[in-house]
Amino acid sequence: DAKTTQPPSMDCAEGRAANLPCNHSTISGNEYVYWYRQIHSQGPQYIIHGLKNNETNEMASLIITEDRKSSTLILPHATLRDTAVYYCIVGSGGGADGLTFGKGTHLIIQP
Amino acid sequence: KAGVTQTPRYLIKTRGQQVTLSCSPISGHRSVSWYQQTPGQGLQFLFEYFSETQRNKGNFPGRFSGRQFSNSRSEMNVSTLELGDSALYLCASSPSGRAGGELFFGEGSRLTVL
Repeated sequence: DAKTTQPPSMDCAEGRAANLPCNHSTISGNEYVYWYRQIHSQGPQYIIHGLKNNETNEMASLIITEDRKSSTLILPHATLRDTAVYYCIVGSGGGADGLTFGKGTHLIIQP
Repeated sequence: KAGVTQTPRYLIKTRGQQVTLSCSPISGHRSVSWYQQTPGQGLQFLFEYFSETQRNKGNFPGRFSGRQFSNSRSEMNVSTLELGDSALYLCASSPSGRAGGELFFGEGSRLTVL
């Protein structure tokens, strides 16, 4: 079973910030929080990951709570092309251990 | 830099046949992992290879196998195909597969079993 809980779907208006929550209350101390997204029938795309600190890159920001039991992915200015299924994953992430994908959040950007 | 390349992109097989799927990782990446995606089960980890050695395997029957060549290219094979094997098979590469790294996925091979 996936170790994360995400809302099944969310809507966001184009141009606004999209905030996607994720609960991971059983995360271990050495596990990362990863976010990937999958646009219809394409391969998943890496977005961002973090261990303890908040992270930002050109695509998004990741906010991890101090107790690490939850996190939020922020897309600062959502566009229609951001419509996708977003997966929050906890684990080592590197590939050797395999990623455990849950059902993710289907984010729909409304024009 | 070319991305992860998977071939073929689409294929149709019948029950009982076998299939081989190919994955060329990003140049310099030595870790290749495979995933199966179905509407019912979602994305599931099949196995991971590094330097021609399988390091980890998911919970799939022995009909699913793979290998990696010295140039890091990988193949996966499914024997005695069943209807339930119809899925999108995704390959992902990373430089070493170490913790804290990101995976780069290909576009997948969509297998239909009739």
